[in-house]
Amino acid sequence: QSALTQPPSVSAAPGQKVTISCSGSSSNVGINYVSWYQQVPGAVPKLLIYDNNERPSGIPDRFSASKSATSAALGITGLQTGDEADYYCGTWDTSLSAWVFGGGTKLTVL
Amino acid sequence: QVQLVESGGGVVQPGRSLRLSCAASGFTFSPYAMHWVRQAPGKGLEWVAVISYDGSNKFYADSVKGRFTISRDNSKNTLYLQVISLRVEDTAVYYCARGPTDIPYYYMDVWGKGTTVTVSS
Repeated sequence: QSALTQPPSVSAAPGQKVTISCSGSSSNVGINYVSWYQQVPGAVPKLLIYDNNERPSGIPDRFSASKSATSAALGITGLQTGDEADYYCGTWDTSLSAWVFGGGTKLTVL
Repeated sequence: QVQLVESGGGVVQPGRSLRLSCAASGFTFSPYAMHWVRQAPGKGLEWVAVISYDGSNKFYADSVKGRFTISRDNSKNTLYLQVISLRVEDTAVYYCARGPTDIPYYYMDVWGKGTTVTVSS
């Protein structure tokens, strides 16, 4: 199983808000920056958030993220059908000397 | 534009070897750490390995340690992944991805389209 725990799926209606959680430990989320990736079906993963809460250029401010202790969260507001995708959190694990991803969360916009 | 193009995938028998390549273009390759990430059919992302900008530091996932070797040739702007003793469970799309700095334990900001490796008898 993954070092980072995410819910397998979340869903919400268009226009609503959703939050995806990412739970880790003191050796990964607790001490290192978290990033988030979006993978639309059939496409390549795309960086959505880096350094816990920073958005790369071109990512709308509907996407936001936060971190507290050993947990992180991705929030998406004003949901659109185009947001349907798998979302992954990731960070470095200092104890493992390895990068770790969460298992991914499938977002369905009903 | 910034681009990563993987190649070298294919159908191979269990126990055989393969070398994957990732050609970088549109940016100066040498200052950046580089990752390999794989995704088995219908599964999530699995990080495989990372190499520092100069090749002096390499880190691997436990699942591939001892069988996979990451390397780079900065004169050719190319990243490699040598894989030996392939197993059925190594079947996946293999992506190369750029780290945003020379630090190997940072995020991935640019991804290639991937190359597919199928291990089957």
